Amino acid sequence: DGGITQSPKYLFRKEGQNVTLSCEQNLNHDAMYWYRQDPGQGLRLIYYSQIVNDFQKGDIAEGYSVSREKKESFPLTVTSAQKNPTAFYLCASSPTGTITEAFFGQGTRLTVV
Amino acid sequence: DAKTTQPPSMDCAEGRAANLPCNHSTISGNEYVYWYRQIHSQGPQYIIHGLKNNETNEMASLIITEDRKSSTLILPHATLRDTAVYYCIVRLPFAAGNMLTFGGGTRLMVKP
Repeated sequence: DGGITQSPKYLFRKEGQNVTLSCEQNLNHDAMYWYRQDPGQGLRLIYYSQIVNDFQKGDIAEGYSVSREKKESFPLTVTSAQKNPTAFYLCASSPTGTITEAFFGQGTRLTVV
Repeated sequence: DAKTTQPPSMDCAEGRAANLPCNHSTISGNEYVYWYRQIHSQGPQYIIHGLKNNETNEMASLIITEDRKSSTLILPHATLRDTAVYYCIVRLPFAAGNMLTFGGGTRLMVKP
């Protein structure tokens, strides 16, 4: 079945360590996005990519990095520079250039101790 | 993208219609209205979108006022599984990366 997969569902890391969250889609979508959600809050955009080998910062990119080497994959690295990394991270994808819906993964809950 | 305003929470009795309002008074002529919902600890799910005309699909109906300054999402027969946070979003059709800007949404509680 086509879809967007995030792994792992839960992730624990020690403070000061970098961690990479995986996002894979087999929907043949050009655009992919990373959002962060804190408890009781809406989603905030971290990074997005409209095409392979290109990406742009969203509203809260500081302390995060991404790569888009393949159309299917858009991994997010949470670096030690991110002051409050504990959050729920959501990846999404959509076609570009059309009025369409975005498809979301089921999220990764990152806890930094 | 235009800003949206939604009530933070609403209750609805199971089996009754849930009417979720959204104000978007600064919406521009070519911005679309989208609705998503997020069930606890899951990724958001697309519900419906529209530009000017009312829209209906298997999940819900979207009523947009004639001046387009507000809209209402209608779940005709709410069930317990419709308990979720509902997000109203407005955006341009070819916004950079088609990205979505999520506000706080409305937390809908469907009660037995």
